[in-house]
Amino acid sequence: EVHLVESGGGLVKPGGSLRLSCAASGFTFSNAWMNWVRQAPGKGLEWVGRIRSKSDGGTTDYAAPVKGRISISRDDSKNTLYLQMNSLKTEDTAVYYCLGFGTWGQGTLVTVSS
Amino acid sequence: QLVLTQSPSASASLGASVKLTCTLSSGHSSYPIAWHQQQPEKGPRFLMKLNSDGTHAKGDEIPDRFSGSSSGAERYLTISSLQSEDAADYYCQTWGTDIQVFGGGTKLTVL
Repeated sequence: EVHLVESGGGLVKPGGSLRLSCAASGFTFSNAWMNWVRQAPGKGLEWVGRIRSKSDGGTTDYAAPVKGRISISRDDSKNTLYLQMNSLKTEDTAVYYCLGFGTWGQGTLVTVSS
Repeated sequence: QLVLTQSPSASASLGASVKLTCTLSSGHSSYPIAWHQQQPEKGPRFLMKLNSDGTHAKGDEIPDRFSGSSSGAERYLTISSLQSEDAADYYCQTWGTDIQVFGGGTKLTVL
């Protein structure tokens, strides 16, 4: 069964940093293009960024609101996806989901507040 | 600019059918999309990938009541024999060379 499990969310002050993880199982993670998607309280889904498989270059794309402040990486030996977020703003408060191989994780809540 | 447009809300009666629409922006009518469902207080669930020719590939354990179709720049999600658990937000998603986009979502009320 395909599973994605996010972790690493929490409360962080504006200007702070946080690293989220997404552990994958049940599929060949190394072949998958993986995404991060977020959902602010009461709002719709917003794409954050994507990383291609290493065989397709392993390159990343980021949404405009977060470009320059986030970095997506992957460790195929650990079947794990990462989202490094820096210079966090209050508007980054959201549930962060990983999405790949037609599957969503359960999400992890990031709250940016002083 | 790649944009997806969805009506904010829709409603239909228990046991009836409903057709939700997602419209691709001008110049992007050949793009495939994905449909996702988000039930209240839950995370999203992938429903299907829908191509411009109407062919679609559903996710695991998605009931036959859910189907997709396409016409020009419009992509449709049809839910037949509506059940109470179909009350949810439905999002379409598409992707370009270096970007992914979600529609604003349609909130489906089952009467």
